[in-house]
Amino acid sequence: DAGVTQSPTHLIKTRGQQVTLRCSPKSGHDTVSWYQQALGQGPQFIFQYYEEEERQRGNFPDRFSGHQFPNYSSELNVNALLLGDSALYLCASSLRTSFLETQYFGPGTRLLVL
Amino acid sequence: AQKVTQAQTEISVVEKEDVTLDCVYETRDTTYYLFWYKQPPSGELVFLIRRNSFDEQNEISGRYSWNFQKSTSSFNFTITASQVVDSAVYFCALISYNQGGKLIFGQGTELSVKP
Repeated sequence: DAGVTQSPTHLIKTRGQQVTLRCSPKSGHDTVSWYQQALGQGPQFIFQYYEEEERQRGNFPDRFSGHQFPNYSSELNVNALLLGDSALYLCASSLRTSFLETQYFGPGTRLLVL
Repeated sequence: AQKVTQAQTEISVVEKEDVTLDCVYETRDTTYYLFWYKQPPSGELVFLIRRNSFDEQNEISGRYSWNFQKSTSSFNFTITASQVVDSAVYFCALISYNQGGKLIFGQGTELSVKP
């Protein structure tokens, strides 16, 4: 049973660039959530996708956008990168029987913005 | 407002000691779930337990046990006879009905178990 996978594992970008992170959910799951985890902090919710639409969003600017594909995989896009965007980006998947279901996390993508 | 507080930033114990990680939460919702996740140095968050707001029974799983008390809004996690492999950052998290699918995490407690 494949778990949540994310790519790439590490990424280095410069300020002002754009980045795309990818996530494949756990087998059987249809909902994907994205979180940003700064060093030494707890993860912060960015947004959640279900049925290819953004259903819930946290306090992140419009520079952060996403997409969900018909196979339930998802992308996180960040435009105009800032130094403060350096973080571990975590993808989580769940089954949308209710939005209170357990979220299972992938290994994350470590983004460094120089 | 929804909030999770883990007051212990770092804990260091010697192997075989028991250790309790504290978690206090705030929510006005009556329907919510509480979680504990483990984050080893690799970075992946590993799900440990999920507890709903209507079930205050304590739970034991091997060396792990959880104490949920609504009266004090606490959901504490105890590791009995700790092992070096338990070294990690542990996060308590909350999801509530009115917040949709948004998991709210505490700041985490870094546990170091020394041989």
